[in-house]
Amino acid sequence: DSGVTQTPKHLITATGQRVTLRCSPRSGDLSVYWYQQSLDQGLQFLIQYYNGEERAKGNILERFSAQQFPDLHSELNLSSLELGDSALYFCASSDLAGGETQYFGPGTRLLVL
Amino acid sequence: AQSVTQLGSHVSVSEGALVLLRCNYSSSVPPYLFWYVQYPNQGLQLLLKYTSAATLVKGINGFEAEFKKSETSFHLTKPSAHMSDAAEYFCAVSDGSSNTGKLIFGQGTTLQVKP
Repeated sequence: DSGVTQTPKHLITATGQRVTLRCSPRSGDLSVYWYQQSLDQGLQFLIQYYNGEERAKGNILERFSAQQFPDLHSELNLSSLELGDSALYFCASSDLAGGETQYFGPGTRLLVL
Repeated sequence: AQSVTQLGSHVSVSEGALVLLRCNYSSSVPPYLFWYVQYPNQGLQLLLKYTSAATLVKGINGFEAEFKKSETSFHLTKPSAHMSDAAEYFCAVSDGSSNTGKLIFGQGTTLQVKP
């Protein structure tokens, strides 16, 4: 158990819908990272928040957004969903802003029908 | 820009044989390098990491990796494979700066261990 929790574990929704994925980092960790894992793209970095502020952005679609709240949990919002958004979404956390070990949650498996 | 290449999407070894998973990286700054393992339907678990200290890094479950700057490689090895090592392995790089720890992953290597 990494100490990072993600909810829900599974999500099935329809095209055009909007979903919210939630992540609670390990106790004391200030950074939260979001990654997408799909068969065709592999594991891709989406976005990083550090202590409530956006720190780095990867290949995150404009339809996707994230935020980190004062209690340090984070949410990833995916809107206008397309079939190609079906993937495993991981959250990871680390104690500082860069270079440290990232601890991964179990992931949320999203299926868009 | 940083990148990671894992040579071989599938590697098959016999139980008790040497495991060698290859990883080459590209980075314009001194990198931090990581190996993660993913078991079916689970998240990623850190095996080991290199952060510019010793070039030979020992990790969990008997795995180790050697950082070779001249070859830009960070290959993962284990002297004797166990059935429980069957999983997907990912090599990753970050730029080691304090600005961001975002990881760039390789495509992954699936390790099959035959009895």
